[in-house]
Amino acid sequence: ILNVEQSPQSLHVQEGDSTNFTCSFPSSNFYALHWYRWETAKSPEALFVMTLNGDEKKKGRISATLNTKEGYSYLYIKGSQPEDSATYLCAFDRYKLTFGKGTLLTVNP
Amino acid sequence: KAGVTQTPRYLIKTRGQQVTLSCSPISGHRSVSWYQQTPGQGLQFLFEYFSETQRNKGNFPGRFSGRQFSNSRSEMNVSTLELGDSALYLCASRSQRGAYNEQFFGPGTRLTVL
Repeated sequence: ILNVEQSPQSLHVQEGDSTNFTCSFPSSNFYALHWYRWETAKSPEALFVMTLNGDEKKKGRISATLNTKEGYSYLYIKGSQPEDSATYLCAFDRYKLTFGKGTLLTVNP
Repeated sequence: KAGVTQTPRYLIKTRGQQVTLSCSPISGHRSVSWYQQTPGQGLQFLFEYFSETQRNKGNFPGRFSGRQFSNSRSEMNVSTLELGDSALYLCASRSQRGAYNEQFFGPGTRLTVL
């Protein structure tokens, strides 16, 4: 059974703060890692698909890094805004997605 | 391009009944996966269909089954419903099976079993 761990479970920050979360996954037989943002009452929204060790991807104020040798990925949000409030999920992809339980981010105005 | 659609959005059933959920993938996408989301367990993989064949299966009992049609639309069936089957069921599609392909999710079907 694959184990995908995310930390922290939840996070409260003030508007303008920068923050980061961690996703840990098995380091063997790596194929891809996905990051999703899931807002309440909406569908999970794909943020990044990361495939190569050392990958760094960026979308606006959000970026992610990948270390496949040690089995972790970081998601960074620079200058958090209230609209960034959501659950951030990572998923280890070995032809089927195994999700972590997510990090619930709340950004207070 | 239209996104992934799921019907119905909400469903209430009683124990022992069966239920069928439907998913229409993004046009051109051939892979459809189903997930169950519960507060305690998070998102868990049920199964994946590609070209009308089940390619991968999660750790769920045989009461959970699915199929895919030639137009890539997929249905999921749960027989002999139990209270613990109450959950949000999400389907997701991607163009190919490759792990580097983005997977796009539908809005989900909220199933309540009484």
